[in-house]
Amino acid sequence: DAGITQSPRYKITETGRQVTLMCHQTWSHSYMFWYRQDLGHGLRLIYYSAAADITDKGEVPDGYVVSRSKTENFPLTLESATRSQTSVYFCATNGGWGTEAFFGQGTRLTVV
Amino acid sequence: AQSVTQLGSHVSVSEGALVLLRCNYSSSVPPYLFWYVQYPNQGLQLLLKYTSAATLVKGINGFEAEFKKSETSFHLTKPSAHMSDAAEYFCAVSENTGNQFYFGTGTSLTVIP
Repeated sequence: DAGITQSPRYKITETGRQVTLMCHQTWSHSYMFWYRQDLGHGLRLIYYSAAADITDKGEVPDGYVVSRSKTENFPLTLESATRSQTSVYFCATNGGWGTEAFFGQGTRLTVV
Repeated sequence: AQSVTQLGSHVSVSEGALVLLRCNYSSSVPPYLFWYVQYPNQGLQLLLKYTSAATLVKGINGFEAEFKKSETSFHLTKPSAHMSDAAEYFCAVSENTGNQFYFGTGTSLTVIP
């Protein structure tokens, strides 16, 4: 089915470990985004990508790495997880400026 | 960068009463504006969007929002609240110099039976 999917939905990891959150979309949209959602902060942009092999930092990029070798995938990696990265992570995509963003179901990450 | 302010992190209304959720943005140039709804343990769904075609925008589930340039506001309303409207609501802007979305901190709507 067409859409945007994130995996895993839930993840518990230990401090210092590397973890990768996956995001896949089937629309061939050019833009993809990663947000984190924390109480009191709403959604904050971590990284975004305008096309394959083009990525840029958002508001809170420290501690995260992204790549986009294929249009449909936009994985987010926490190279050395910290407790402050405990959050709900949302991937989103849209077709360009002025169009709505479509969101995945989110990944709830807990760093212990 | 854009700034989006949602006044009131929690709003409670009685079933059947008017819903008013406030959103103000900071841009001097009208951006694209959106309202999203989030139900528990789900992603965000689009309620409506403003794209400069009309200042009063109608969305799904009976919601509408009015763009007021002079007030830099985009408040969300619904004439009669339903229990199923209980959710988190987010206002977002997409600035005209790029395709980044900036979100407010959200308003949690409680509907009292």
